[in-house]
Formats: sequence, C-alpha cells, structure tokens
Amino acid sequence: QKEVEQDPGPLSVPEGAIVSLNCTYSNSAFQYFMWYRQYSRKGPELLMYTYSSGNKEDGRFTAQVDKSSKYISLFIRDSQPSDSATYLCAMVGGTSYGKLTFGQGTILTVHP
Amino acid sequence: KAGVTQTPRYLIKTRGQQVTLSCSPISGHRSVSWYQQTPGQGLQFLFEYFSETQRNKGNFPGRFSGRQFSNSRSEMNVSTLELGDSALYLCASSLVGRLAYEQYFGPGTRLTVT
Repeated sequence: QKEVEQDPGPLSVPEGAIVSLNCTYSNSAFQYFMWYRQYSRKGPELLMYTYSSGNKEDGRFTAQVDKSSKYISLFIRDSQPSDSATYLCAMVGGTSYGKLTFGQGTILTVHP
Repeated sequence: KAGVTQTPRYLIKTRGQQVTLSCSPISGHRSVSWYQQTPGQGLQFLFEYFSETQRNKGNFPGRFSGRQFSNSRSEMNVSTLELGDSALYLCASSLVGRLAYEQYFGPGTRLTVT
C-alpha cells in the first residue's frame, strides 16, 4: 500500500464548477502538506502548502488538512479551462529532509 | 528571480551508457532534491543535498548518484543505463533547511534509454 493515495481520475468538469481533489495518507509523521499543479511537459508548480491541520485560502484555491483522518483536500472555485492540468498532493515530515512523498496525481479537465 | 534550470532538457542514450544531469537552483536556495517521474510510478524521490551533503536518499539502486557543489548547483549521474530508467528527471530547490518542504521544481530532463 502506498503512503499517499490519490484518485488519478480523470476528472472532467464544466467551466465555473467547484472542483474537489483529495488525498489520504498513512504516515502520521507527515507535517507539511503541499499541492502542486503540473501542465503537460512541464515541471510541477507549487500552488499551496499547509502546516498541520487547518484551512488555507489563496484566491480561488482552498487547501484543507485533517490530520485526525489523514485526509487532505484542495478546492478550486470558479474553475477555468486554464486550470486543466494534473494536480499532485505531496507531504513531508519526520526526518525526511527534502523528501516529498507524492500522490499519483489527478488529471483535471475544465471544459468551456 | 530566475527559476530552477535543468540541462539538458532532452537526452537519448543507449543501454549500458551513463548519463549526467545538471541542476541550478534558485539563487539563495541551498537544498536540492531530485525526483524521477514515470507514468507507472509517479514522482519518486531520489536524493536530497544540503550544503554539499546528501541528507536523504530514496530507494533507488547505487547506479543513481548525485553531488552538490559549493554554489549549490547539483548533478545526478546514472551509470549502466537500463530501459526502465527512461523517465522525466526533476530537480527541485528549497530555501528552507529543515525538511525543505517548500520546493520549486525545474522543467525536468526527459531521458530516453533505447
């Protein structure tokens, strides 16, 4: 079983929809939780990071972490075709210096 | 501020050869991590360097090695290439020393082994 599980999708939504992306994890040592966006043939781009449990908002993006359930989410409001990409969750903690553990990534398509 | 740069962007090698990939981190970043990305396995951690020292290593064979220079630039080397080494190799840099969680990725080097 993988340390981080993420539904690969694909997920297809109409423009303007609210998108919910999720990951579950098994390692209690994880302390920082990140969301990356990766366009085709590009490197991952850091969207947001959260420390421990709680919510964090940045524009149309909201990240939530529930450490008690080992569950993290990313919500995208008013989705746009330019949001079409692969979204990856990543986590780090304990003595894992520089080692991000990634989910498989969810492929999202927002159609006009 | 310039982002993370990786060279070369594309590479084709044959089995048994070796390859060296280069990464220049964002100015001021001292931590560099390397990842392998494949469709089947996703993003997998190779190793991380901080102040020229390898602090962490993933579960890859000894054919994969790396180093970091005093200017924080990093290289990774793969010897005796196998077909399964075909992948996108990503480098990420971080300003934060401990855990180095806020990582910024380069565009990657796409390696094809034939």
